[in-house]
Amino acid sequence: GAGVSQSPSNKVTEKGKDVELRCDPISGHTALYWYRQSLGQGLEFLIYFQGNSAPDKSGLPSDRFSAERTGGSVSTLTIQRTQQEDSAVYLCASSLNREDYEQYFGPGTRLTVT
Amino acid sequence: GQNIDQPTEMTATEGAIVQINCTYQTSGFNGLFWYQQHAGEAPTFLSYNVLDGLEEKGRFSSFLSRSKGYSYLLLKELQMKDSASYLCAVRARWQAGTALIFGKGTTLSVSS
Repeated sequence: GAGVSQSPSNKVTEKGKDVELRCDPISGHTALYWYRQSLGQGLEFLIYFQGNSAPDKSGLPSDRFSAERTGGSVSTLTIQRTQQEDSAVYLCASSLNREDYEQYFGPGTRLTVT
Repeated sequence: GQNIDQPTEMTATEGAIVQINCTYQTSGFNGLFWYQQHAGEAPTFLSYNVLDGLEEKGRFSSFLSRSKGYSYLLLKELQMKDSASYLCAVRARWQAGTALIFGKGTTLSVSS
């Protein structure tokens, strides 16, 4: 079956603009995760969804970041008033449920803020 | 707090064996993972350890000691295609959910 997909694959935006990143998890996976990978840094956990709810938003770096998930499937990560330090690869992963240990990653969205 | 340490870079030659170490400090430990990530690609799952001991899967093995906060990934019969970044990650169970806390990764270069 299809894996995790993300769009767009690349996004270049001007500082101060808003961006929306999309993640389509594997069908039937109830748990969804967003991570950020900056140059020279490890993957940084941002937010986790179980179904449509996000029990823990503490990983979001600032209030400019928000995420939602609808229908227990597609998720969007929104960054408002982008800053240059937001430039990174944003990775989405999904797993069957919160107890399933294997997370399947999408190809990521490379965000460049100029 | 959460802290995961692994070497930044390692080099090895084809056919050799390499061991990549990972030490961690975390609350709510619920398993340790190794992922492989080729440049420009998504991480792919390699192994999972939740109990102490060695897990073997083909050319790759992973070891865990919970009391020492230590793991290693052992790669045997190295091939050029094994050149990649290897990510150590700890699963932390919080009241509300789970997430993976990643180290910065070890870049392995395999030469002929």
